[in-house]
Amino acid sequence: SQQGEEDPQALSIQEGENATMNCSYKTSINNLQWYRQNSGRGLVHLILIRSNEREKHSGRLRVTLDTSKKSSSLLITASRAADTASYFCATALFNSGNTPLVFGKGTRLSVIA
Amino acid sequence: DTGVSQDPRHKITKRGQNVTFRCDPISEHNRLYWYRQTLGQGPEFLTYFQNEAQLEKSRLLSDRFSAERPKGSFSTLEIQRTEQGDSAMYLCASSLVWGTDNEQFFGPGTRLTVL
Repeated sequence: SQQGEEDPQALSIQEGENATMNCSYKTSINNLQWYRQNSGRGLVHLILIRSNEREKHSGRLRVTLDTSKKSSSLLITASRAADTASYFCATALFNSGNTPLVFGKGTRLSVIA
Repeated sequence: DTGVSQDPRHKITKRGQNVTFRCDPISEHNRLYWYRQTLGQGPEFLTYFQNEAQLEKSRLLSDRFSAERPKGSFSTLEIQRTEQGDSAMYLCASSLVWGTDNEQFFGPGTRLTVL
């Protein structure tokens, strides 16, 4: 079963616009991660936010975490056509460090030039 | 290239045949993970290793699936008597055990098609 659920399932925006994706999870976490997957390729780690953090930035990415609501959001600002990909949130399968990950179904982002 | 590599990238086989996939992790990483991903879904965890020890294998999909990491470096995933439902992308990832963060580095995947 999948712990994280992303919303929306698909998102289409114009280049230059911001894209926001949401993730909800079920159990307590040490951290939450976001990954990107280009079509038919492996996943690339984007950002990790720890349970004691509320917001984190990396370049054009901004991640928020609300542990009381068990939710996270990923904001991509000033989107580019190259941002077209699927985005997944992931949490740890076991309550210890360095465990396998549980992924949601992902949000498919299309950025139109 | 110092990333995670997988071989082959694509495999087409007939139902009932056995297939084996190889994963070479990042050289200093001691954890290695196998996931399966079907169309429109996120990756689903199968099994993982720390060095040569297999830490969890109960989530392998059936007894037709097995994995090894004999020398703590590369790993193989074998599927015996393949079925059409085994068609999927098989992803390998590796990580370095350090602290509680579990960032994983993924390979490009092996896409299996069972006819």
